[in-house]
Amino acid sequence: GAGVSQSPRYKVAKRGQDVALRCDPISGHVSLFWYQQALGQGPEFLTYFQNEAQLDKSGLPSDRFFAERPEGSVSTLKIQRTQQEDSAVYLCASSSTPGNEQFFGPGTRLTVL
Amino acid sequence: GQNIDQPTEMTATEGAIVQINCTYQTSGFNGLFWYQQHAGEAPTFLSYNVLDGLEEKGRFSSFLSRSKGYSYLLLKELQMKDSASYLCAVSIGGATNKLIFGTGTLLAVQP
Repeated sequence: GAGVSQSPRYKVAKRGQDVALRCDPISGHVSLFWYQQALGQGPEFLTYFQNEAQLDKSGLPSDRFFAERPEGSVSTLKIQRTQQEDSAVYLCASSSTPGNEQFFGPGTRLTVL
Repeated sequence: GQNIDQPTEMTATEGAIVQINCTYQTSGFNGLFWYQQHAGEAPTFLSYNVLDGLEEKGRFSSFLSRSKGYSYLLLKELQMKDSASYLCAVSIGGATNKLIFGTGTLLAVQP
């Protein structure tokens, strides 16, 4: 069956540009997470959705980061006015119910020049 | 704060056994996960422990001691394809069950 998909796989942005990263979770999965992974580090939590409700956004590093999941399936992570420190791999994960194993997508590698 | 410690790098020989340790101090605990991540790829689930003791799954086993804040992943009969980063992650948060990850242990399997 289809796993978690993310697009684009690679994104190069000039400093100050806005970017939008898309995540298609496994069909029917209630929980959706976004993580940020810097080179050589483990993923760091950004935000969590249960269906369309954003229940936790404590990991978003600044108000330039915004995420939505309006219909409880596809999610978009938007970063406004990108900075060089935003360069990282952005991973999306979904799970069938809260607490179950999370299935990760391949990630979007964002490079801000 | 949240703290998860694991060794940065390990080296082992094909066919051997390797143990990767993880210690944690977190505000809350719903369970502990181990993920494998090959370079440039998504993390993939290996094991999950919520109660103390050993969970065995083929060549992979994982152990948990909640009182000690300690877990290990045991890989047996190592193969070259096991060369990857191994991530220890603790699930916290009542409604969220978000994962707090360690930095990962980069395992190199040598012939």
